Amino acid sequence: DAGVIQSPRHEVTEMGQEVTLRCKPISGHDYLFWYRQTMMRGLELLIYFNNNVPIDDSGMPEDRFSAKMPNASFSTLKIQPSEPRDSAVYFCASSFASGITDTQYFGPGTRLTVL
Amino acid sequence: AQKVTQAQTEISVVEKEDVTLDCVYETRDTTYYLFWYKQPPSGELVFLIRRNSFDEQNEISGRYSWNFQKSTSSFNFTITASQVVDSAVYFCALSEAYGGATNKLIFGTGTLLAVQP
Repeated sequence: DAGVIQSPRHEVTEMGQEVTLRCKPISGHDYLFWYRQTMMRGLELLIYFNNNVPIDDSGMPEDRFSAKMPNASFSTLKIQPSEPRDSAVYFCASSFASGITDTQYFGPGTRLTVL
Repeated sequence: AQKVTQAQTEISVVEKEDVTLDCVYETRDTTYYLFWYKQPPSGELVFLIRRNSFDEQNEISGRYSWNFQKSTSSFNFTITASQVVDSAVYFCALSEAYGGATNKLIFGTGTLLAVQP
């Protein structure tokens, strides 16, 4: 079974540019999560979806960030315009809620560098 | 509020030594889950174990073992006979059950384990 797939694996862009990160969750999973990892803040949850519907976006840093999940097999995280402080590793994770909670499986991450 | 504390920022051991990574959590909920993830130098996050709040039995998987103690709100992770391949950052995480559904993970700051040959 394929795990969570993220693309691109690395992205280097200039300040002000639009950045789109992509995620394909594990087939059959009904929860999808976007996390950001930085040295200063560690791993922090940005937003999560259940059955393609955003449930909690309280971790999204500001209006420059947006996330969508048009179908069960695809999600995007967009930053527009990007800023150097957005440089981080962005992880996508998915899980299947059997019972109260279940294990989140993470993708390989996208390392974003904004110059 | 939920919180996970991993007081050990870095640990360095020599191969074949045993090492214990500490994790202390805070939660007001009676139903919750605890996790350990491994992040090797390649960067991915690898799931290691999940434990629910009603199961305090210790678990062993090969060289890995976990000690869950509700009385001290701790979920410690021990690697026996460490190997160089164990070198990684290890994260402890907490997930609460509230409102009938949950999946939000609260991560600790991680412990960097360096195993020297």
